[in-house]
Amino acid sequence: GAVVSQHPSWVICKSGTSVKIECRSLDFQATTMFWYRQFPKQSLMLMATSNEGSKATYEQGVEKDKFLINHASLTLSTLTVTSAHPEDSSFYICSASPTGLGETQYFGPGTRLLVL
Amino acid sequence: GDSVTQMEGPVTLSEEAFLTINCTYTATGYPSLFWYVQYPGEGLQLLLKATKADDKGSNKGFEATYRKETTSFHLEKGSVQVSDSAVYFCALSETGGSYIPTFGRGTSLIVHP
Repeated sequence: GAVVSQHPSWVICKSGTSVKIECRSLDFQATTMFWYRQFPKQSLMLMATSNEGSKATYEQGVEKDKFLINHASLTLSTLTVTSAHPEDSSFYICSASPTGLGETQYFGPGTRLLVL
Repeated sequence: GDSVTQMEGPVTLSEEAFLTINCTYTATGYPSLFWYVQYPGEGLQLLLKATKADDKGSNKGFEATYRKETTSFHLEKGSVQVSDSAVYFCALSETGGSYIPTFGRGTSLIVHP
């Protein structure tokens, strides 16, 4: 079946540093990937839609200069949290849609970020 | 806009009890409906889906029927196990649209031995 991986699975960093999270589709190509943020005991909040070869589309209220997204290939999207602060601590989840199967999304296992 | 409403949790059951988690939706078009499950510390996994009215999605003993007349997609399981303890998310995505799902807030299920 379709598998999406994320790396790292968890990361602890100091305030002010940048953190990169990778999302890979392991056995399919994904023109579109999505990045979500999940707060404790809450639903997923869509942050941005990542399109291969073009700029990401950010949801209202999400700072694109803070959350940099790069979709460099059909199997890899990265989210970089720049100048991280404690309020950026969260669970970040990506998902990928196989090219041509738009409504089917496969989710990664998530990355837990803790900013000290 | 589209929205999904789930019953608030946590839902606490004993093993082998019957489970129902209610989900209703509001959509402008003809959405596909999904249930996702999130186990502790993990991402979401698609549990089941239904793409048109009266369709029944089923997987691992769970099932849900797409009810257009009541705009509902309630999740049921006849006999829950401790291993079913997780958070369950109902979601929809508009057919022919952006396919970005709209999620409910999630319902936590706790099953005791």
